[in-house]
Amino acid sequence: DIVMTQSPDSLAVSLGERATINCKSSQSVLNSSNNKNYLAWYQQKPGQPPKLLIYWASTRESGVPDRFSGSGSGTDFTLTISSLQAEDVAVYFCQQYYSPLLMYTFGQGTKLEIK
Amino acid sequence: QVQLVQSGAEVKKPGSSVKVSCKASGGTFSSYAISWVRQAPGQGLEWMGRIIPILARVNYTQKFQGRITITADKSTSTAYMELTSLRSEDTAVYYCAKGGYPLFSFDYWGQGSLVTVSS
Repeated sequence: DIVMTQSPDSLAVSLGERATINCKSSQSVLNSSNNKNYLAWYQQKPGQPPKLLIYWASTRESGVPDRFSGSGSGTDFTLTISSLQAEDVAVYFCQQYYSPLLMYTFGQGTKLEIK
Repeated sequence: QVQLVQSGAEVKKPGSSVKVSCKASGGTFSSYAISWVRQAPGQGLEWMGRIIPILARVNYTQKFQGRITITADKSTSTAYMELTSLRSEDTAVYYCAKGGYPLFSFDYWGQGSLVTVSS
């Protein structure tokens, strides 16, 4: 099975400060045929479904504020919130797609709070 | 803009089955996949399977093979997920989501359907 491991499990950051969440895959998610990383990031607030923030590891979904950015390639990825706002309090998940096994796997989630 | 509206909460006995519906509006229903993702209380997200109506293709993750059936009614733009032989560990919120084909990510989600399995 493909395992996605996020770190840390929880994070407290002051308003206006940078928040960084890491995601590591047990297998590379880089597709050599198109040079794209099949890695996405989601934000989930209590009682709501997840919301897509980033796909292809670094492409922001339409309407997502530019303080959210994604980086990384292969097995190691990062979601960065450049200046934390109160409305960013949520759980964040990474997700990968591994085509040989047709598997979509999520990380365990990182809970982001205000310090 | 796609909107996905799911059926309501269900309480089921162990060993029984549940069928959750997901009605889509906006977009072209047949041209994208509908995936099903579940989330146990306080837990993470687990992809269960998908249907691609335009290709008449259905895929399930191995964990649920033999217990899950995903179908779609193109005439009503509605997808269904049936899970049989329910056990307490199946208690979760079940989401439908647009995604898995042609894009690998899930850009629209239903509101979720809570399924509680309890004797």
